Amino acid sequence: DQQVKQNSPSLSVQEGRISILNCDYTNSMFDYFLWYKKYPAEGPTFLISISSIKDKNEDGRFTVFLNKSAKHLSLHIVPSQPGDSAVYFCAAKIIQGAQKLVFGQGTRLTINP
Amino acid sequence: DAGVIQSPRHEVTEMGQEVTLRCKPISGHDYLFWYRQTMMRGLELLIYFNNNVPIDDSGMPEDRFSAKMPNASFSTLKIQPSEPRDSAVYFCATSSWDSPLHFGNGTRLTVT
Repeated sequence: DQQVKQNSPSLSVQEGRISILNCDYTNSMFDYFLWYKKYPAEGPTFLISISSIKDKNEDGRFTVFLNKSAKHLSLHIVPSQPGDSAVYFCAAKIIQGAQKLVFGQGTRLTINP
Repeated sequence: DAGVIQSPRHEVTEMGQEVTLRCKPISGHDYLFWYRQTMMRGLELLIYFNNNVPIDDSGMPEDRFSAKMPNASFSTLKIQPSEPRDSAVYFCATSSWDSPLHFGNGTRLTVT
């Protein structure tokens, strides 16, 4: 039972344009969401997060949007740069519950020069 | 801070052999997680510990898998006997209650 889903295994975007990565979840108890970025042969690293009390969080070129009614979140990268090429994982958890994060399958983003 | 340290980085073994993966957490982090990454399922949580005590092992696929955390500085994930379908990248990650997960660089396991 995949509680967090990333339906696009891969995405290709031209340098300088906007990259939009999507994530859906099924558990309405989730109230904290995170995005992780992973380069080959390395572990995932934390990128940005958002609490369910917000619908947007911005950090430089990265913005995460949360639509609770649709159980959907997205990560926007503007402008996209070659160094953004990586696998991006969406994750969710329940703040007052167990500390464990539930991850999606990941989306491989490729930025073309 | 050296981060989360996993060993070995790569492990190739034959079916039926015992495999032990090791993890040294970041000092001061009291949560430790073992994840497995596969193409089909992404990052799956296998088990996690809090203050060296296993809290949730519901993700451990079978009795062939076991994990221990004898002290705050060390954890192991053991597979015995190993099977080809266990081939994956295994990650250890640690955190404190108010910090994001910090991952190690993983162990790529290949069972032939």
